[in-house]
Amino acid sequence: GAGVSQSPSNKVTEKGKDVELRCDPISGHTALYWYRQSLGQGLEFLIYFQGNSAPDKSGLPSDRFSAERTGGSVSTLTIQRTQQEDSAVYLCASSLSVYEQYFGPGTRLTVT
Amino acid sequence: GQQLNQSPQSMFIQEGEDVSMNCTSSSIFNTWLWYKQDPGEGPVLLIALYKAGELTSNGRLTAQFGITRKDSFLNISASIPSDVGIYFCAILSNTGNQFYFGTGTSLTVIP
Repeated sequence: GAGVSQSPSNKVTEKGKDVELRCDPISGHTALYWYRQSLGQGLEFLIYFQGNSAPDKSGLPSDRFSAERTGGSVSTLTIQRTQQEDSAVYLCASSLSVYEQYFGPGTRLTVT
Repeated sequence: GQQLNQSPQSMFIQEGEDVSMNCTSSSIFNTWLWYKQDPGEGPVLLIALYKAGELTSNGRLTAQFGITRKDSFLNISASIPSDVGIYFCAILSNTGNQFYFGTGTSLTVIP
């Protein structure tokens, strides 16, 4: 069956430009998470959506980061005025139960 | 966020050897998880631990939730080349909303 998909797989952008990263979760999964993984590091929690509840945005590093989840399905992570320190792999995960997250392959973002 | 100390940072072992890695925290948590990440992929859940002292196996993998609820270890027995990857520990926050990940153990298996 279809897993979590993310697009694009790679994105190179110039400093100061805005980027949008997309996540298509597994159909029927009510929870969706975004993480950031810098080179050689663990995963840093960014934001969590659960059903129709207000998202937990406590992990977003600055107000340049925002995310939406439309219709309880697809999610978009937007980074405005990108900086070089935003370069990382951005991972999305979805789940039915709290414990079992299914991760997508990630989007590798490079800010030049 | 919570800080998880994971060690070792990297391991180079011969095929067939056993592997042990661990993770510690300064706070108590009620759920510990172990993930494996292959290059270019997202992490995949290996084992979830919900009870202090719990020892759980999944094939050649065994993980234990420390009785203090501040640590966990993962053992891999009789390693094979496909065990190569990065292993992460993770905890579920006590609010139940967020997962915090360790910095990972990179495993290389030499045939």
